[in-house]
Amino acid sequence: KAGVTQTPRYLIKTRGQQVTLSCSPISGHRSVSWYQQTPGQGLQFLFEYFSETQRNKGNFPGRFSGRQFSNSRSEMNVSTLELGDSALYLCASSLGGTSGYTFGSGTRLTVV
Amino acid sequence: SQQGEEDPQALSIQEGENATMNCSYKTSINNLQWYRQNSGRGLVHLILIRSNEREKHSGRLRVTLDTSKKSSSLLITASRAADTASYFCATDAAGGGADGLTFGKGTHLIIQP
Repeated sequence: KAGVTQTPRYLIKTRGQQVTLSCSPISGHRSVSWYQQTPGQGLQFLFEYFSETQRNKGNFPGRFSGRQFSNSRSEMNVSTLELGDSALYLCASSLGGTSGYTFGSGTRLTVV
Repeated sequence: SQQGEEDPQALSIQEGENATMNCSYKTSINNLQWYRQNSGRGLVHLILIRSNEREKHSGRLRVTLDTSKKSSSLLITASRAADTASYFCATDAAGGGADGLTFGKGTHLIIQP
């Protein structure tokens, strides 16, 4: 079965712009989570969606937002980009419970 | 915030040897998971151990969990060059909360051929 698909793979944006990243979970997975990975801070939880509802949110400013559609696909948006937003953004889907997460290959965002 | 802390930060061994990585965490957990990451790509789920389990095996992997010490270890036996990667532990905190999975900073494992 297809894995978690994230698009685009690479992105270069200018400070002040906004960006939208997309994630298609494994078919049947209703939980989608987003993580930011940087060399300095490591992997940090952004938010989790389940059945179109944001269930949890990490400690990130309001410039980071997301949503989930009825087909479980998810998008995250970052507005007013800052240099420090340069990172690998990872999406993960899960059946829920204790099944573990399946991660996508990530979107590498560079802000210049 | 980082809850899990892996030890060592980096480990280099010869192919065929066993590799052991340790993880410590701070709060009560529902489960602890180990992931592998190759060269900044996506994370691959390796194994999940519940808080009421003490040991779990999957192929060449063995995970232990000591909730009294808030620590876990991952043992990879008979290592192969393809095991070269970064390994992360991640905790799913008990009682829900806003943190999702909390990851450590990882152990970078290098298998010398």
